[in-house]
Amino acid sequence: DSGVTQTPKHLITATGQRVTLRCSPRSGDLSVYWYQQSLDQGLQFLIQYYNGEERAKGNILERFSAQQFPDLHSELNLSSLELGDSALYFCASSSARTGYGYTFGSGTRLTVV
Amino acid sequence: AQKITQTQPGMFVQEKEAVTLDCTYDTSDPSYGLFWYKQPSSGEMIFLIYQGSYDQQNATEGRYSLNFQKARKSANLVISASQLGDSAMYFCAMREALSNDYKLSFGAGTTVTVRA
Repeated sequence: DSGVTQTPKHLITATGQRVTLRCSPRSGDLSVYWYQQSLDQGLQFLIQYYNGEERAKGNILERFSAQQFPDLHSELNLSSLELGDSALYFCASSSARTGYGYTFGSGTRLTVV
Repeated sequence: AQKITQTQPGMFVQEKEAVTLDCTYDTSDPSYGLFWYKQPSSGEMIFLIYQGSYDQQNATEGRYSLNFQKARKSANLVISASQLGDSAMYFCAMREALSNDYKLSFGAGTTVTVRA
């Protein structure tokens, strides 16, 4: 157990639907990062939050949004889902303890049918 | 421009032999960190090793060592005495201090298959 909790592990949904992925960072970590991993795109940075505030934005579609709550857990909302959104979505947290490297959650495998 | 380049899409290695995974990086930031992660077929991302740009010695963690050549901007991962369980995808990543978001940039990965 890495200490970063992601739920659910698997999600199958239909095109056009909306889903929410949840992440709890490792205890004491204030930063949460979201990444999308698809076969043809590799690991793509989506968005970062630090202590409730958005810190950096990557290749995140307008259909996607995220937030970090006061208890530091984060949610990634994916709406109007398309087949191409099928991917493994990772959450990671970081701190000075690990040289600001990531501790990853186990990921959510999203399949859009 | 690509910040992290992993030129080997796939490699085969015999069990008990050593394997070197190449990683080159591009940054003008004097302070940065380099990381290697392992992703087995189950999908989770596992931290292996970290090298800071100011570290004088190459990092080692058990059977993993990082061959850090700063002038060449390379950070190759060496896995010694390969085991079947080492079969996985391996990612090199970099954090630049100038980007205060501490975001990691990842390479495309190298798939390692260990043969018995």
